[in-house]
Amino acid sequence: GAVVSQHPSRVICKSGTSVKIECRSLDFQATTMFWYRQFPKQSLMLMATSNEGSKATYEQGVEKDKFLINHASLTLSTLTVTSAHPEDSSFYICSARGGRTVAAGELFFGEGSRLTVL
Amino acid sequence: LAKTTQPISMDSYEGQEVNITCSHNNIATNDYITWYQQFPSQGPRFIIQGYKTKVTNEVASLFIPADRKSSTLSLPRVSLSDTAVYYCLVGDSSSASKIIFGSGTRLSIRP
Repeated sequence: GAVVSQHPSRVICKSGTSVKIECRSLDFQATTMFWYRQFPKQSLMLMATSNEGSKATYEQGVEKDKFLINHASLTLSTLTVTSAHPEDSSFYICSARGGRTVAAGELFFGEGSRLTVL
Repeated sequence: LAKTTQPISMDSYEGQEVNITCSHNNIATNDYITWYQQFPSQGPRFIIQGYKTKVTNEVASLFIPADRKSSTLSLPRVSLSDTAVYYCLVGDSSSASKIIFGSGTRLSIRP
């Protein structure tokens, strides 16, 4: 089946630094990618939607200058947490929606990336 | 965007059949119903998807009544490894359609 890979799976950084998380669709072209964050024992919260070659659409309350999303190709989207602070510590999950190479519209999720900001 | 409502938690025992119901009163004509399973510190995993009536695969069945305002995920003969959070989502398959997660149902299976 289709696979979405995230990297890194875990990252620890110091407050004030920036962290980049990659999301790759390994065997299909993703027309749309979504980024979520999840706090312990809570549901996934949609942060933004990104389409290849265009600017991401952010959900209300999500700072676009804080969470930079780049969707440079049909197989790669990146989320950069800029000037990270401890409150940014969370589990970040990406998902990719297939285009013509997989069942149109089917959604695949990455393994998640756990960010800890000290 | 259709909102979904599920029980916050459920408990059952190994070998039992578990049914988790989801309400989606505002489901649109083009919306599909999809269920995902999530283990701690992992991304959600697709279980089953349907539009109407009944769908069955190797791990679950999905029952959808004619009015499509609710759906029931049925897990036959659960095991300890089925302990997870289960999410019901509704939406169409267009690339522009956002996927919004509800609260999910935390299922605990006991020996």
